Amino acid sequence: NAGVMQNPRHLVRRRGQEARLRCSPMKGHSHVYWYRQLPEEGLKFMVYLQKENIIDESGMPKERFSAEFPKEGPSILRIQQVVRGDSAAYFCASSPGQYQPQHFGDGTRLSIL
Amino acid sequence: GENVEQHPSTLSVQEGDSAVIKCTYSDSASNYFPWYKQELGKRPQLIIDIRSNVGEKKDQRIAVTLNKTAKHFSLHITETQPEDSAVYFCASRPGGATNKLIFGTGTLLAVQP
Repeated sequence: NAGVMQNPRHLVRRRGQEARLRCSPMKGHSHVYWYRQLPEEGLKFMVYLQKENIIDESGMPKERFSAEFPKEGPSILRIQQVVRGDSAAYFCASSPGQYQPQHFGDGTRLSIL
Repeated sequence: GENVEQHPSTLSVQEGDSAVIKCTYSDSASNYFPWYKQELGKRPQLIIDIRSNVGEKKDQRIAVTLNKTAKHFSLHITETQPEDSAVYFCASRPGGATNKLIFGTGTLLAVQP
């Protein structure tokens, strides 16, 4: 059973560009979570999605950030007009149900030039 | 607001000794407390978890205790080995209709051979 798959593993963008991060949950998991980790810090919750629904977006910045989890295909975290402060590791996790343990992917390291 | 404090930030022990990491949470409605181990550049891995209706849980050399009254929970690792060296994160799931996790700031555990 493949784990949570994230791609790309590393992404470099220039200021003002768009970044798209993809996450495929574990087989049988329909709940997806995105977290951001700054260097030497803990993980900060961003958003919780189920297929075609955003359940909790209380950790999402109000501007430039959006997330989706369509009926078909991976979950996408989209960052528009990136700035230096967006540089971080972005981790996706998935669970089979709403109150089930979360399992993490390897993350996407986003670097902004 | 929702907050998890974790101590110590760094912990160095001799191989074979025990290690204890402590966390305190703020939301009294929190009901689930997982612990993750993260090696450098890798994904956070779930190592043990405990729910609010249980006071203690053990899995081989790892144990977690929960004191709901004091809103404390702790990770205990016995007979530490060099491969236990990593950053350990505690987390709590706040009350309400969400499965988001609030993470502590991490403990860097170094096991000296």
